[in-house]
Amino acid sequence: AQSVTQPDIHITVSEGASLELRCNYSYGATPYLFWYVQSPGQGLQLLLKYFSGDTLVQGIKGFEAEFKRSQSSFNLRKPSVHWSDAAEYFCAVGRTTSGTYKYIFGTGTRLKVLA
Amino acid sequence: NAGVMQNPRHLVRRRGQEARLRCSPMKGHSHVYWYRQLPEEGLKFMVYLQKENIIDESGMPKERFSAEFPKEGPSILRIQQVVRGDSAAYFCASSPGTSGISEQFFGPGTRLTVL
Repeated sequence: AQSVTQPDIHITVSEGASLELRCNYSYGATPYLFWYVQSPGQGLQLLLKYFSGDTLVQGIKGFEAEFKRSQSSFNLRKPSVHWSDAAEYFCAVGRTTSGTYKYIFGTGTRLKVLA
Repeated sequence: NAGVMQNPRHLVRRRGQEARLRCSPMKGHSHVYWYRQLPEEGLKFMVYLQKENIIDESGMPKERFSAEFPKEGPSILRIQQVVRGDSAAYFCASSPGTSGISEQFFGPGTRLTVL
């Protein structure tokens, strides 16, 4: 069965430090991969997506992610974290089967940023 | 262009009452998805609808839950005879009616509390 794993439930980094959030997926075909961010009490905002092509994807707010097929990973990175990046981050894989489309989400990683 | 709209943002119901959650997709979008987020968990797919059709309801509980997306008006997620375990955030997403998987745009969610 398809699944998405985000092994880190909580991550704390200092402002200005680099960040990497891990995401591993299990999916038989070529995956469609997404990273979303959710601020407290808010909906989800798309940071970036991978459908095909260049495996290094640039997103909004200075985020990037790299698709590594051999490792079944799609880790999210940012070279220098800002206090406003504190939020919950969700990795998702898009699944298409017999004309139906859905996202399968990981359980999320909650990011705390220290001043 | 207004984003995905959901109302109400917060809904309180007593056990046994009915809850109706509304979702207006982005203009031009004909695909609607409902997800449920339980506390400390990721989003779980519930149902995928196109205008007047339920395409995939594999994530919907078998009883008490129903969804519709009429020709005119918003999509409705209906929960009958709510129980405490229904307390969660319910998110609606929409996407354009293009073939293949595409980005889903999320609304701000409805937070349901069952007393």
